[in-house]
Amino acid sequence: LAKTTQPISMDSYEGQEVNITCSHNNIATNDYITWYQQFPSQGPRFIIQGYKTKVTNEVASLFIPADRKSSTLSLPRVSLSDTAVYYCLVGEVWGAGNMLTFGGGTRLMVKP
Amino acid sequence: DSGVTQTPKHLITATGQRVTLRCSPRSGDLSVYWYQQSLDQGLQFLIQYYNGEERAKGNILERFSAQQFPDLHSELNLSSLELGDSALYFCASSVAASGSRKSTDTQYFGPGTRLTVL
Repeated sequence: LAKTTQPISMDSYEGQEVNITCSHNNIATNDYITWYQQFPSQGPRFIIQGYKTKVTNEVASLFIPADRKSSTLSLPRVSLSDTAVYYCLVGEVWGAGNMLTFGGGTRLMVKP
Repeated sequence: DSGVTQTPKHLITATGQRVTLRCSPRSGDLSVYWYQQSLDQGLQFLIQYYNGEERAKGNILERFSAQQFPDLHSELNLSSLELGDSALYFCASSVAASGSRKSTDTQYFGPGTRLTVL
């Protein structure tokens, strides 16, 4: 599984756009990039997944450059409730045997 | 609400004891995964079951075991408990159709069981 590197923590203010970048230099051809969000004492929650270029859903956008060695999770206009840990995961998304390897994540603190 | 349920929510027990954690996956999901999250180790994958059969194994101790029943619910059994087993235990489920590569095979996590070993 490709190793990921992301900042340990980030601070932001309400209403700002937050971009969290994840490095995955050893990403393989079949690997997808997936981001999860976790609030204290809760299970991780799927945010977004992509393979290349840009993916957008109602919660976030995911930008993946052509070489796919990094990816950026973009959260538009964050609120206090976006304070959480964000995990970047890289790996094949096969149906079976699809275990997730979580790194340390990025602890986002949104301030008023 | 992810649709994955876990019981109990909290569990307090003593060293040397045995406990069983239960997980009911989302309706239609065939795969169940167990993860352990402790303060010093982060989120660690333990084991996966697919349609009743063990499919993948991670950092699961020999004192721990799991199974998935015909109705697809799963149980994680922890025995000879030690202080270091205190953690949050999460169950996740996914559709996980065997043999197919699904780019949207998202894992949905339950609320977790907090185990405290005294």
